[in-house]
Amino acid sequence: KQEVTQIPAALSVPEGENLVLNCSFTDSAIYNLQWFRQDPGKGLTSLLLIQSSQREQTSGRLNASLDKSSGRSTLYIAASQPGDSATYLCAVRRYGGSQGNLIFGKGTKLSVKP
Amino acid sequence: NAGVTQTPKFRVLKTGQSMTLLCAQDMNHEYMYWYRQDPGMGLRLIHYSVGEGTTAKGEVPDGYNVSRLKKQNFLLGLESAAPSQTSVYFCASSYRDRDPHEQYFGPGTRLTVT
Repeated sequence: KQEVTQIPAALSVPEGENLVLNCSFTDSAIYNLQWFRQDPGKGLTSLLLIQSSQREQTSGRLNASLDKSSGRSTLYIAASQPGDSATYLCAVRRYGGSQGNLIFGKGTKLSVKP
Repeated sequence: NAGVTQTPKFRVLKTGQSMTLLCAQDMNHEYMYWYRQDPGMGLRLIHYSVGEGTTAKGEVPDGYNVSRLKKQNFLLGLESAAPSQTSVYFCASSYRDRDPHEQYFGPGTRLTVT
């Protein structure tokens, strides 16, 4: 059974720091991996999606990497800002099967202090 | 395009009452999903649909029913609400055969059962 773990559960950093959020998964047979952002009381905003054949994806100050063999992904946020404060969720889509649903981690709650 | 929309945004039910949550997408996606999000549990799949007229159980289906009479709509029903169904409900959709199979989420419905 696929399990997704995110460490740390919470992280507080001063503004301007570069930071890394970690995601690990137990079954390397994944189709893709998505990173989401969730603001309090809000829905999920997709940040980056990495296909199983890719190693990384970049969008602005965000860079996500994927190492399928070790079952790990990282989300790198450069020059963090208070506006980056949110919960970041990692989710993997299973390879094969007909449902294509995502298996989510429990998230990392990020707080960026001014 | 509106993307994925959910109605209602908030609802309070008494134990034993019934209600239906509506999800609509205008992206012509084949796959649709209902997730629930609970503190400390992450998002979990309730039911999903791979096409009009088809539905299937996810990880936590008990107490819920679904219907997909039209391709763009996916309904989640609670026949007899219980306090354990207090949660935030998210709908999502994706293409079946088109990479990268990214899932798009609605804004969520916050349900409280007293």
